[in-house]
Amino acid sequence: GESVGLHLPTLSVQEGDNSIINCAYSNSASDYFIWYKQESGKGPQFIIDIRSNMDKRQGQRVTVLLNKTVKHLSLQIAATQPGDSAVYFCAENWSTSGSRLTFGEGTQLTVNP
Amino acid sequence: DSGVTQTPKHLITATGQRVTLRCSPRSGDLSVYWYQQSLDQGLQFLIQYYNGEERAKGNILERFSAQQFPDLHSELNLSSLELGDSALYFCASSVAGSTNTDTQYFGPGTRLTVL
Repeated sequence: GESVGLHLPTLSVQEGDNSIINCAYSNSASDYFIWYKQESGKGPQFIIDIRSNMDKRQGQRVTVLLNKTVKHLSLQIAATQPGDSAVYFCAENWSTSGSRLTFGEGTQLTVNP
Repeated sequence: DSGVTQTPKHLITATGQRVTLRCSPRSGDLSVYWYQQSLDQGLQFLIQYYNGEERAKGNILERFSAQQFPDLHSELNLSSLELGDSALYFCASSVAGSTNTDTQYFGPGTRLTVL
């Protein structure tokens, strides 16, 4: 399935709270997943990735969880800060597609001070 | 800063015209990718080049073409422009691009406006 960027889901949280952004990916054969952050007027910025042989991966303040059974990916941001406000995209890749990424629709995260 | 550079940052042109967008990958990266981001279609993969050769093709119109030069920079050519081509065009690069686990790093984009 291709990404369709229609009405962007939104998530609003208070500064210091934990944020969870969800993504349903399209292809059960996908074996590599990436989360990107895109701030207004900028390009997507790599946050964290995970391969399909894992179900959890942690970075600095971020954790990605992968549930292959239901084709679901989530990004958890601990102690969310105003600088985390952005659109977050999940992207998937599968072996036969080479290195092309298929992006989800994105989620607008707003952090209120 | 991802290390990927794109020029120009903004481009305004008229329907029917032709434009060229330029991308320089991160130092050491051999693959360059082009993506289009529009309000109604989100981020869409267009094309990938690896070390000068076309590697993968996505939803790229026949009016669009790309190439990668020996110094590894890439250009995306858009011709016979239509209003619907107005979008953000991103370039990304990765070290190899021969495996699907190669992390892609994105440039700042070129905003194209067709009037």
